Amino acid sequence: ELKVEQNPLFLSMQEGKNYTIYCNYSTTSDRLYWYRQDPGKSLESLFVLLSNGAVKQEGRLMASLDTKARLSTLHITAAVHDLSATYFCAVSHESGGSYIPTFGRGTSLIVHP
Amino acid sequence: SQTIHQWPATLVQPVGSPLSLECTVEGTSNPNLYWYRQAAGRGLQLLFYSVGIGQISSEVPQNLSASRPQDRQFILSSKKLLLSDSGFYLCAWKPSGPYEQYFGPGTRLTVT
Repeated sequence: ELKVEQNPLFLSMQEGKNYTIYCNYSTTSDRLYWYRQDPGKSLESLFVLLSNGAVKQEGRLMASLDTKARLSTLHITAAVHDLSATYFCAVSHESGGSYIPTFGRGTSLIVHP
Repeated sequence: SQTIHQWPATLVQPVGSPLSLECTVEGTSNPNLYWYRQAAGRGLQLLFYSVGIGQISSEVPQNLSASRPQDRQFILSSKKLLLSDSGFYLCAWKPSGPYEQYFGPGTRLTVT
């Protein structure tokens, strides 16, 4: 059974600070996804990481993937209040020819002025 | 471009009443479809997924059921709602294969 663990689950940080969210998964996979969920809203895709060593950046967020360590990181640079949201990582595993995403529990980020 | 719709957006239902939530996708063919539930302040729980018309896989035993009567239509149902069925229900689609999912706007269900 594929397990996806995120940490921390809750993160309170000040504007301007840097921090990293970690996503570990238990079985081999070369595709990892990051999503963002604003309070009361649905999920939107942030990054798709397709291979070992992949790095994607958008604004103050940068995601990376190390398939050998089964680890992805989401790094936040100089946080701003608009980044306050819940961030989920997900990994796909094949089951009977279908690819079933398994999500982490999410990291709830609050950025304080 | 592809779009995904869910309705209703919000719903308040008494315990024991039936439920029907609908999800439709436009602009693509043969999507993989998913139903998730998210309890308040919690993560995503995968309820059902479908890779084709009439093909439904259930991830957890419960009083909910799903159907896919048409290629781009996915319906979540219950004959009798429980208090524990309250939550935020999300429908998602993706192309066949290991691709990212696209989520609908969600239905917020409160069972009273």
